[in-house]
Amino acid sequence: QVQLQESGPGLVKPSETLSLICTVSGYSISSGYHWGWIRQPPGKGLQWIGSIYNTGSTYYNPSLKSRVTISVDTSKNQFSLKLTSVTAADTAVYYCARQDDYVGSVHWFDPWGQGTLVTVSS
Amino acid sequence: SYELTQPPSVSVSPGQTASLTCSGDKLGGKYACWYQQKPGQSPVLLIYQDRKRPSGIPERFSGSNSGNTATLTISGTQAMDEADYYCQTWDSSTVVFGAGTKLTVL
Repeated sequence: QVQLQESGPGLVKPSETLSLICTVSGYSISSGYHWGWIRQPPGKGLQWIGSIYNTGSTYYNPSLKSRVTISVDTSKNQFSLKLTSVTAADTAVYYCARQDDYVGSVHWFDPWGQGTLVTVSS
Repeated sequence: SYELTQPPSVSVSPGQTASLTCSGDKLGGKYACWYQQKPGQSPVLLIYQDRKRPSGIPERFSGSNSGNTATLTISGTQAMDEADYYCQTWDSSTVVFGAGTKLTVL
């Protein structure tokens, strides 16, 4: 079965770049699907960050678009997230997930990784 | 930007039916999905394309979507169903989540 695992630094300094990797097992990213990043600030709800198709085409949350880059490395079966100029407001649990769709008219996430807490602090 | 509205909290007695709502402009013309998140755990997909259940999701979870409201119905609610529930849709090539509803079973 498909499993996803986030990895990366748990602490990032303000104004620096947050970098995370999602490693996928049990399925080859190059075979299809979209792959997404979602975050959840402590005690708050879910916020979609952005997604990438296996071909490399990306789409982002408009509120984060200027700071976000998502890329895919099919040779390593991984996709990654970079978020620049972080502030304390970017402190959150970051999840990666496989994203499915139905004729492009609806998208949903299943399964999700276990999540990784990233704290922005000096 | 498109918004989804969920009540912050819903309470239900064990064995009763819980109805969790998610409202958005003409949401019935889009598809909705639902996730369950228990404390310290990742969200789990419960319903997609309004009413479809992934394998392994109990039949007591069902979904509907019409007009401006999507509804997640939990029949015969159990103590283990106490969790946060999020609705989600797709609009203008963006993913939109509701703020979530905390379901209390008491």
